[in-house]
Amino acid sequence: NAGVTQTPKFQVLKTGQSMTLQCAQDMNHNSMYWYRQDPGMGLRLIYYSASEGTTDKGEVPNGYNVSRLNKREFSLRLESAAPSQTSVYFCASTASRRTDTQYFGPGTRLTVL
Amino acid sequence: AQSVTQLGSHVSVSEGALVLLRCNYSSSVPPYLFWYVQYPNQGLQLLLKYTTGATLVKGINGFEAEFKKSETSFHLTKPSAHMSDAAEYFCAVSEGWNYGQNFVFGPGTRLSVLP
Repeated sequence: NAGVTQTPKFQVLKTGQSMTLQCAQDMNHNSMYWYRQDPGMGLRLIYYSASEGTTDKGEVPNGYNVSRLNKREFSLRLESAAPSQTSVYFCASTASRRTDTQYFGPGTRLTVL
Repeated sequence: AQSVTQLGSHVSVSEGALVLLRCNYSSSVPPYLFWYVQYPNQGLQLLLKYTTGATLVKGINGFEAEFKKSETSFHLTKPSAHMSDAAEYFCAVSEGWNYGQNFVFGPGTRLSVLP
């Protein structure tokens, strides 16, 4: 099993450009998440999808949109990138229960100039 | 809303010394608690978790943590640090879907191990 995969690994954008971060998991998990990681702030939840067909906002959703394409894939879109969105983005998934472990992808390092 | 605090953004220990990373949480319901480790340029991976039952939880790489309800704490320890333990450590709490998000992470503690 590959676990959770993310593409791309690195990306540089100019202010105002758009892009989509891709995430896929092969563990048949129901729930998927997008986080951003900034120094000294831990991980902050952007959006999550409790199950296929549902998405909900997390702590910092502004400037982002998501699509749960199917059970395996959960994408994050930046419509008009801003320097404040420079961060490392992680996708994660869990089976569904509160006790379940979250499995993380390797991350996407995004720089917005 | 639940929150997680980790005392000390950076902890340094000598190789072979005790590792103690602190985590306190606030929660209105019994929490489920997790410790994750992040090595440089990698994603997070689970070290250990507390759900129910025994309050002393053993994890991978010789780490363990004890859930103390009266102190709302879940500190992470390892008797003898190894150079390979140098990483960032995150404590997290899971409360359930009705709160709008089910995992809240602390800010992290970077562990350095000195030779």
